[in-house]
Amino acid sequence: DTGVSQNPRHKITKRGQNVTFRCDPISEHNRLYWYRQTLGQGPEFLTYFQNEAQLEKSRLLSDRFSAERPKGSFSTLEIQRTEQGDSAMYLCASSTEAEAFFGQGTRLTVV
Amino acid sequence: AQSVTQLGSHVSVSEGALVLLRCNYSSSVPPYLFWYVQYPNQGLQLLLKYTTGATLVKGINGFEAEFKKSETSFHLTKPSAHMSDAAEYFCAVSDTGTALIFGKGTTLSVSS
Repeated sequence: DTGVSQNPRHKITKRGQNVTFRCDPISEHNRLYWYRQTLGQGPEFLTYFQNEAQLEKSRLLSDRFSAERPKGSFSTLEIQRTEQGDSAMYLCASSTEAEAFFGQGTRLTVV
Repeated sequence: AQSVTQLGSHVSVSEGALVLLRCNYSSSVPPYLFWYVQYPNQGLQLLLKYTTGATLVKGINGFEAEFKKSETSFHLTKPSAHMSDAAEYFCAVSDTGTALIFGKGTTLSVSS
């Protein structure tokens, strides 16, 4: 296990389309986080899972966004009816008690 | 609510010079504090963290940071900058392992 894996690395989509990203965490980590990072900004928290339970969601996560973590393993983040403002880097992290490890991110461009 | 302020969005140093990146935090509970580095089109890599115990924390690549509760600061330093240190640096705070709250980042440039 070499770390947190995210797929795809890049996604270009037309406005109004749905997109789904996948995150495979480090296998023994039970906590998983999604963040969004726009140009010139730090990552912003979107949502957090402990095992399969989604324990926290940011107000940034509008009703067009949904995340799942079936069986407490990999996670998916879906954005429905994409808008140009959704263009960003989407980062996934998994963690132990006090240290989060990040994937390389999925860069979404909405045209 | 927790927050992080990174003073200076850009810092430029000469190779061999001291690096100082500033971070102040706000937290209503004893914080966990982190510094991450990000290279272009990459994820974030942990440089160092403070949870409990010794307030001077040493990290990878010669970086260190000191937790100063009275000043609510966690500044990052390195005695001698190297060209490979050029990157974006993020300070972050959390409480007991929940979501990280990041600052806006500081871009470090190193000139020869």
